[in-house]
Amino acid sequence: QVQLQESGPGLVKPSVTLSLTCDVSGGSINDTNWWNWVRQSPGKGLEWLGQIYRTGSTNYNPSLKSRVAMSVDKSKNAFSLKLNSVTAADTAVYYCARGGYCSSTRCRDTEFDYWGQGNLVTVSS
Amino acid sequence: DIQMTQSPSSLSASLGDRVTIACRASQSIYNYLNWYQFKAGQAPKLLIYDASSLQSGVPSRFSARGSGTDFTLTISSVQPEDFATYFCQQSYNMPPTFGQGSKLEI
Repeated sequence: QVQLQESGPGLVKPSVTLSLTCDVSGGSINDTNWWNWVRQSPGKGLEWLGQIYRTGSTNYNPSLKSRVAMSVDKSKNAFSLKLNSVTAADTAVYYCARGGYCSSTRCRDTEFDYWGQGNLVTVSS
Repeated sequence: DIQMTQSPSSLSASLGDRVTIACRASQSIYNYLNWYQFKAGQAPKLLIYDASSLQSGVPSRFSARGSGTDFTLTISSVQPEDFATYFCQQSYNMPPTFGQGSKLEI
């Protein structure tokens, strides 16, 4: 059974960089899956932030593209999110989620079959 | 971005009731539609993919249908563990987008 667990600070100050890590167990970060970040806030609902593949290839939401970066750490079987220049609008529960694989007929990279429990991040001074 | 609109935003039900949640896409997404169940403090759960395919381990009281722009999720006989918030999500275009959620309450 694949399990994902987010970790990171619960409180960050405005203008700093938010950093979160998602530890993967029961599966390998080297599998043919895409690894995603999704956040949930009262104001914006559920918002997909982006995804990363084992090769380091990424896709980001254009709404955040200039502020977001993702990376993979194969030695720790984990992947990470960095969001810079945060404001109160970035206050949300941040989830990591596993996306499916892509075949010649269909790409399931944004079908999220496993999720973490979420990490509440509050941006406040 | 493709806009996903769910209705109703909240609904009340009793144990054993049949409930249906609707989801509409702002353009055709064929059958690239997924449904999730969210409960506070728990990892969200994928219920349905490809608009009507039941994810492994999901009880058969959950069913879904639709294609193009209009989709529905049905729970045939609501159980205590089904009280949660349900979201639809399109995986047809980047970025993937979600509905605003439908909260099922007792």
